[in-house]
Amino acid sequence: AQKVTQAQTEISVVEKEDVTLDCVYETRDTTYYLFWYKQPPSGELVFLIRRNSFDEQNEISGRYSWNFQKSTSSFNFTITASQVVDSAVYFCALSEGGDNNDMRFGAGTRLTVKP
Amino acid sequence: DTEVTQTPKHLVMGMTNKKSLKCEQHMGHRAMYWYKQKAKKPPELMFVYSYEKLSINESVPSRFSPECPNSSLLNLHLHALQPEDSALYLCASSQDWERPQHFGDGTRLSIL
Repeated sequence: AQKVTQAQTEISVVEKEDVTLDCVYETRDTTYYLFWYKQPPSGELVFLIRRNSFDEQNEISGRYSWNFQKSTSSFNFTITASQVVDSAVYFCALSEGGDNNDMRFGAGTRLTVKP
Repeated sequence: DTEVTQTPKHLVMGMTNKKSLKCEQHMGHRAMYWYKQKAKKPPELMFVYSYEKLSINESVPSRFSPECPNSSLLNLHLHALQPEDSALYLCASSQDWERPQHFGDGTRLSIL
């Protein structure tokens, strides 16, 4: 069964610090997709990025960057020069497909950025 | 504004009531989902309606029943709920399992 582990329950940083959110996954499939979502206090889950199992290229989008390493089954997320608006719960998720389109979420990491 | 619309945003109901949560998307997505999220927990999948087929998480009690009137709508009927059913209920849609799911704002449900 697929599994996603986000070992960091809560992280607190001061504005402008860099912060990395860890995600480790387990799957037996060779084809799968990994996602990161942001959930601000308002409750809506906001999609940030998707990565498929065949593409290990790292990606940068503004202050956000992602490091996908199949060798360690990790898909880590770094925020550079954090801002107060980055405060939210961040979820890593894994999708293997199949009949149920089942996407499994990690437990989430609550990031607090203090001014 | 999200592309997945959920109504109502808040709902308070007694244990004997019958109510429905509504979810609508106009992105032409072929799959729609209902999730339950308790405080400080990740979303848990309840139902998937994909390519006209309904899949059910076996741990979901029968007091929750989904209904898909058409490919743009996925309703969740509630009957005889328990206090532990109080949670945020999120609806999502996607083109397929490979694409990201787009979530609505959620319905905050409180059972008295």
